[in-house]
Amino acid sequence: SQTIHQWPATLVQPVGSPLSLECTVEGTSNPNLYWYRQAAGRGLQLLFYSVGIGQISSEVPQNLSASRPQDRQFILSSKKLLLSDSGFYLCACYTGTDTQYFGPGTRLTVL
Amino acid sequence: KNEVEQSPQNLTAQEGEFITINCSYSVGISALHWLQQHPGGGIVSLFMLSSGKKKHGRLIATINIQEKHSSLHITASHPRDSAVYICAVSPFQGGSEKLVFGKGTKLTVNP
Repeated sequence: SQTIHQWPATLVQPVGSPLSLECTVEGTSNPNLYWYRQAAGRGLQLLFYSVGIGQISSEVPQNLSASRPQDRQFILSSKKLLLSDSGFYLCACYTGTDTQYFGPGTRLTVL
Repeated sequence: KNEVEQSPQNLTAQEGEFITINCSYSVGISALHWLQQHPGGGIVSLFMLSSGKKKHGRLIATINIQEKHSSLHITASHPRDSAVYICAVSPFQGGSEKLVFGKGTKLTVNP
């Protein structure tokens, strides 16, 4: 079965600093990949999804961007963090045969 | 109005009680997911279902497609079941499997 790795696990960054969160997947190939965010006190929200290398769809306008340089690598980035970017970021994958699998998440605090 | 509504928002039970969490949705879906989020934030997929009923241990999930409603039942609840339970749906979208989430139900099971 699939295993999803995310790092870092926690991150504290100042406003205006850049961001790079990485997600890698093992145990499958050509998955759909997703970035979700859970802001404090709110539900999960889809930010980006990708159906293949270099193919990124954005769900909400925001300060973040995503890239998929390799089949099993999904990166979430920002050039300048805002306070509102704080939250819990989850990477997930879907292979079309079963449910979505979620990574352990990254808790980002922007100060 | 949210596309996915869960009830109750919070639920406190005594160990051994039978628990029901409800989920209603307003869009056509290809599948419905029940997820469990532990206090550390990690998410585990419990069920993915598109019709009928599924059972795994003490957990049972049902869905009524015509009524756009699903329930998650926990029999003989235990304090280790304490978590946030999230309902999510995959709207018909041609295979992207993007998820739309409810806000979650926080379950506390007291010994």
